Amino acid sequence: DQQVKQNSPSLSVQEGRISILNCDYTNSMFDYFLWYKKYPAEGPTFLISISSIKDKNEDGRFTVFLNKSAKHLSLHIVPSQPGDSAVYFCAARRRYNAGGTSYGKLTFGQGTILTVHP
Amino acid sequence: EAQVTQNPRYLITVTGKKLTVTCSQNMNHEYMSWYRQDPGLGLRQIYYSMNVEVTDKGDVPEGYKVSRKEKRNFPLILESPSPNQTSLYFCASTQVQGNGYTFGSGTRLTVV
Repeated sequence: DQQVKQNSPSLSVQEGRISILNCDYTNSMFDYFLWYKKYPAEGPTFLISISSIKDKNEDGRFTVFLNKSAKHLSLHIVPSQPGDSAVYFCAARRRYNAGGTSYGKLTFGQGTILTVHP
Repeated sequence: EAQVTQNPRYLITVTGKKLTVTCSQNMNHEYMSWYRQDPGLGLRQIYYSMNVEVTDKGDVPEGYKVSRKEKRNFPLILESPSPNQTSLYFCASTQVQGNGYTFGSGTRLTVV
């Protein structure tokens, strides 16, 4: 049961253009969403996040949009740079489990390989 | 430097030979977790710990054990490794659950 899905395994864009990475989720109990970036031979690094009470969060070239009704979030990178080439994972947090106690687990998507061409 | 340190980075072992992957963080984080990364499946949680002596199963706990005797350390134990546990493993920690996790550099495990 894949609760967080990134349906595009890869994305290729030209330097200076916009990169849009998409993520869909199925569990309405998720209350916080995050994007991570991963280079080869390194661990994922936190990029940007958004609470379920917001619909947009911006940090420099990176903006995350959340559409709760569609259970969809996206990461926009403008302008894209060759150094942005990496694997991007979206992740969702479910704060409480069915029993009501704190759960705090992160569920990740499959990842999208972004390649930015000079 | 604030970091999560995993050892070893690479490990090749044989089926059935017990092994431990260590994880240590120097940020006084309460929450620690182990993930495995496999092609097409993303990162899947194995076990997590919300504090000393408090651990719980993630999505794929079978074949793994963990312990949290000290706040900084969270070792992953494979009592009898099998080839389907060949994977890339990441340890992560955070102070506020689910916010801005810090990941280790990964351990690539091959079980033959």
